Amino acid sequence: GQQVMQIPQYQHVQEGEDFTTYCNSSTTLSNIQWYKQRPGGHPVFLIQLVKSGEVKKQKRLTFQFGEAKKNSSLHITATQTTDVGTYFCAPHGSSNTGKLIFGQGTTLQVKP
Amino acid sequence: EPEVTQTPSHQVTQMGQEVILRCVPISNHLYFYWYRQILGQKVEFLVSFYNNEISEKSEIFDDQFSVERPDGSNFTLKIRSTKLEDSAMYFCASSEGGGQGIGYGYTFGSGTRLTVV
Repeated sequence: GQQVMQIPQYQHVQEGEDFTTYCNSSTTLSNIQWYKQRPGGHPVFLIQLVKSGEVKKQKRLTFQFGEAKKNSSLHITATQTTDVGTYFCAPHGSSNTGKLIFGQGTTLQVKP
Repeated sequence: EPEVTQTPSHQVTQMGQEVILRCVPISNHLYFYWYRQILGQKVEFLVSFYNNEISEKSEIFDDQFSVERPDGSNFTLKIRSTKLEDSAMYFCASSEGGGQGIGYGYTFGSGTRLTVV
């Protein structure tokens, strides 16, 4: 079935360093969503990207959708301890039912 | 801010027993979903529900699973005869719209941790 690969699986950074997670698909995606899950918590919607080459920013977070709509990235500038958690990319499935296909996630640890 | 409410937060059950996990989606949302997450792993799709019927289900969602929206507010997931491998966190989610073209962010509940012993 349709899958997305997310790398890296884990990332440890010093507070203040930047962080990037990448999401790659072998097929063209109609759109992609990003979620954050804090330790012990539930996924929380961050953003949706729809257009080829789209870039969206939320404060220190920058989200990109590739020109071919097969990859996406999330970049965090100057990480803080509050950024700790697992970040998932989640495109919609090929059916038209609203189903999301979650990547494996990138778990971010931030050392103060 | 509107929330998706799930009960119970934790359920321990004997293998072979039936469990019902309950969810109250956001009131103006039209699409409902169940996902599960085995500890430390990714979030896996189980089923989507729209207009009082299942719109899609995964291969995980076999005959032992069923969903219902009995009264217009609650959305339940029933596992008829639980197995050890059903132990996971089960998340309910809802969205205002669905489908590829539109796409809406999901609101997830806090989950029910199911432990089968």
